[in-house]
Amino acid sequence: QLVVTQSPSASASLGASVKLTCTLSSGHSSYPIAWHQQQPEKGPRYLMILKSDGSHKKGDGIPDRFSGSSSGAERYLTISSLQSEDEADYYCQTWGSDIRVFGGGTKLTVL
Amino acid sequence: EVQLVESGGGLEQPGRSLRLSCSASGFSLSDHAMAWFRQAPGKGLEWVGFVRRKSYGGTSEYAASVKGRFTISRDDSKNIAYLQMNSLKTEDTAVYFCSREDVGNVDYWGQGTLVTVSS
Repeated sequence: QLVVTQSPSASASLGASVKLTCTLSSGHSSYPIAWHQQQPEKGPRYLMILKSDGSHKKGDGIPDRFSGSSSGAERYLTISSLQSEDEADYYCQTWGSDIRVFGGGTKLTVL
Repeated sequence: EVQLVESGGGLEQPGRSLRLSCSASGFSLSDHAMAWFRQAPGKGLEWVGFVRRKSYGGTSEYAASVKGRFTISRDDSKNIAYLQMNSLKTEDTAVYFCSREDVGNVDYWGQGTLVTVSS
């Protein structure tokens, strides 16, 4: 069964960096994922698609502070030079031929 | 500029029906699969279903929670995607988002429309 798992919460200080993790279920380590950001009281925003080799393509207008990387079944989103507006929920999404799957989201707090 | 605008949300009673529309601009709907997602109050994002491009058969897939009750369709000539929701349940209460897909991943989101199912 295709599942993605995220930690419920993370925190980091203003100006620092943070690395969020999304883990694909057993047997699905080659799958690409997408990262999405949802700021409080707003709709989601697409950040990037991230492949198993670590290559990623960002959406329109996504700052260079956002980057992605991969290791095995893990997919990472790194945000550098944290700003207050980065405080948001971050969701990873993956897909199969007939299904779309979201992780539970990670709530990022900027201290 | 790609834009997706949902409409049709509102308050409806359990057992009734509602149809949501997603008006697309800035791209040709025929070039993309279109998906619907929802977010119940205070909860995470949940996939509802998607409709493939006509060139891939135009068929649809659905989450187990809505299969048999919800239908996604598309009118490429009008650049509109639809979500027909029948036999509504209180647990269908959520903000519904339409989205454009690239190769399975969502690359654009609408702003969402609230559906409240309550007697």
